[in-house]
Amino acid sequence: DSGVTQTPKHLITATGQRVTLRCSPRSGDLSVYWYQQSLDQGLQFLIQYYNGEERAKGNILERFSAQQFPDLHSELNLSSLELGDSALYFCASSVGDGTNEKLFFGSGTQLSVL
Amino acid sequence: QKEVEQDPGPLSVPEGAIVSLNCTYSNSAFQYFMWYRQYSRKGPELLMYTYSSGNKEDGRFTAQVDKSSKYISLFIRDSQPSDSATYLCAMTTGNQFYFGTGTSLTVIP
Repeated sequence: DSGVTQTPKHLITATGQRVTLRCSPRSGDLSVYWYQQSLDQGLQFLIQYYNGEERAKGNILERFSAQQFPDLHSELNLSSLELGDSALYFCASSVGDGTNEKLFFGSGTQLSVL
Repeated sequence: QKEVEQDPGPLSVPEGAIVSLNCTYSNSAFQYFMWYRQYSRKGPELLMYTYSSGNKEDGRFTAQVDKSSKYISLFIRDSQPSDSATYLCAMTTGNQFYFGTGTSLTVIP
């Protein structure tokens, strides 16, 4: 168990809908990262938050947004969902801002858009 | 050219074999190197974390880094069916992480 908690484990929804994925980092970790993993793609970096502030942005669609709350948990909001958004979404955390640090991953949320 | 290249496999070996998994990279600024193991539809699990060129051993696992050739390897000795998973290499410079696409390994009893 990495100590990173993600909920829900599975999410099934329809096109056009909006969902929220939740992540609690390891105790004491200040950074949260969101990744998307599709069958035909590797881990795609979406966004990083460090101590409540956006730190780095990757290939995140405008329909997607995230935030990190004062208690350091994070939420990833996906809206106007499309079939192609079906994927595994992982949250990871690190102790500080990520510089030369280790990433610890949660068990993921499997999103199915029908 | 991708920052990190990893042969996707699949790789199939008999139980007890020595497995060699490899990644190449193009950015000489990468300083820290990691190997993750990912079971099907589960989160990646950190196996090895190395900095300098050379070898690092942890049980049946050995991580090797050759910065001059921009090449890293993970060796698994006495492979077990429970080692069947996808192995991802990762590397970092500053706070940017770059992942390989993963190599699928099956160890046959």
